[in-house]
Amino acid sequence: GENVEQHPSTLSVQEGDSAVIKCTYSDSASNYFPWYKQELGKGPQLIIDIRSNVGEKKDQRIAVTLNKTAKHFSLHITETQPEDSAVYFCAASRGGGSNYKLTFGKGTLLTVNP
Amino acid sequence: DTAVSQTPKYLVTQMGNDKSIKCEQNLGHDTMYWYKQDSKKFLKIMFSYNNKELIINETVPNRFSPKSPDKAHLNLHINSLELGDSAVYFCASSRMGTGELFFGEGSRLTVL
Repeated sequence: GENVEQHPSTLSVQEGDSAVIKCTYSDSASNYFPWYKQELGKGPQLIIDIRSNVGEKKDQRIAVTLNKTAKHFSLHITETQPEDSAVYFCAASRGGGSNYKLTFGKGTLLTVNP
Repeated sequence: DTAVSQTPKYLVTQMGNDKSIKCEQNLGHDTMYWYKQDSKKFLKIMFSYNNKELIINETVPNRFSPKSPDKAHLNLHINSLELGDSAVYFCASSRMGTGELFFGEGSRLTVL
């Protein structure tokens, strides 16, 4: 089965700095890579995703890059703000139809210090 | 209006008891899931249903029994609760053909 490794487990940055979280996956057939943000006491929420036919995707201050050859993908957050503080999860899935079986990384606790 | 709602939000119970968690989504999605998040925040899929049909059944003890009376509801019943069942259980839904999961706010189960 799929195995997703996520690093670092904790990340502390100053407001305005950039934050980078990295993930690797094991199943070369995985083709869908979402990132979820989980705030305290809430369920995870999708913030950005990328499919294997794309190398990079950007949405305002958030970007994701994918290297299929190396089987790793990364989340980049620029100009961090205190409200970015949360746990971030990467995930990977073969995807398709009704069968999206997401395997999650273990999460990164991001703290943005004002 | 809440998109994916779970009840109850908190359950505290004794070992050996049976408990249920209910989930409803009003997004018109046809696929629903149960995920378990342990004390270290690790999220792991347990089950998924598509239009009331079981699609994914991970290696979960058969004390856990999901039931989907219709495509908007997915309930989770747990028999003979054990200490290790303590966790936050998340219900989620998605539209067929997309991978985006919409999660509920979770049900925190504590087994004493």
